[in-house]
Amino acid sequence: RKEVEQDPGPFNVPEGATVAFNCTYSNSASQSFFWYRQDCRKEPKLLMSVYSSGNEDGRFTAQLNRASQYISLLIRDSKLSDSATYLCVVNMVPDMRFGAGTRLTVKP
Amino acid sequence: GAGVSQTPSNKVTEKGKYVELRCDPISGHTALYWYRQSLGQGPEFLIYFQGTGAADDSGLPNDRFFAVRPEGSVSTLKIQRTERGDSAVYLCASSLAGGNNEQFFGPGTRLTVL
Repeated sequence: RKEVEQDPGPFNVPEGATVAFNCTYSNSASQSFFWYRQDCRKEPKLLMSVYSSGNEDGRFTAQLNRASQYISLLIRDSKLSDSATYLCVVNMVPDMRFGAGTRLTVKP
Repeated sequence: GAGVSQTPSNKVTEKGKYVELRCDPISGHTALYWYRQSLGQGPEFLIYFQGTGAADDSGLPNDRFFAVRPEGSVSTLKIQRTERGDSAVYLCASSLAGGNNEQFFGPGTRLTVL
């Protein structure tokens, strides 16, 4: 079983749609969790951290369920510029483990 | 300020050759990470430095791979006797310290082994 698993997609959605990505992790001792965004042929960049209480940043909402070892990312009112690959990242101190990424394409 | 830089941006080599990939982290970042990313995959952890020492090298695939960070800043990833399967983008990241700090990635070195 992979340490971090994501649905690879691709997700093709129209502008304005709401889309949700899921991620599961295998190590119950994992300490912290993140979503990174990676544009085509570019490096990953931090999108947001994921906290146990859930957190929101504008149109983006991240949630963590430690009991189920499950992380989610919700994007509301999706924009063309949201098209990218979204990487689920689990901190297994001292290093991080990345999922394979979920590819999102937002179409006009 | 300056971000993480990596050189070269592209490297094409022949099977069996030796290559060195360089990473210059953000000034003041004590933690440095190397990852390898193949097409359609997420970054795969290779090695983590805290200062000059390799705190975790469990991701290095075999003894052909080696990395150093002699002065706690610039790091070099060295690959001996390259194989076609080594072709990938090699990403370097740095952070203020290990643990939960955000990692900032460099643009990567695209290695192609012919």
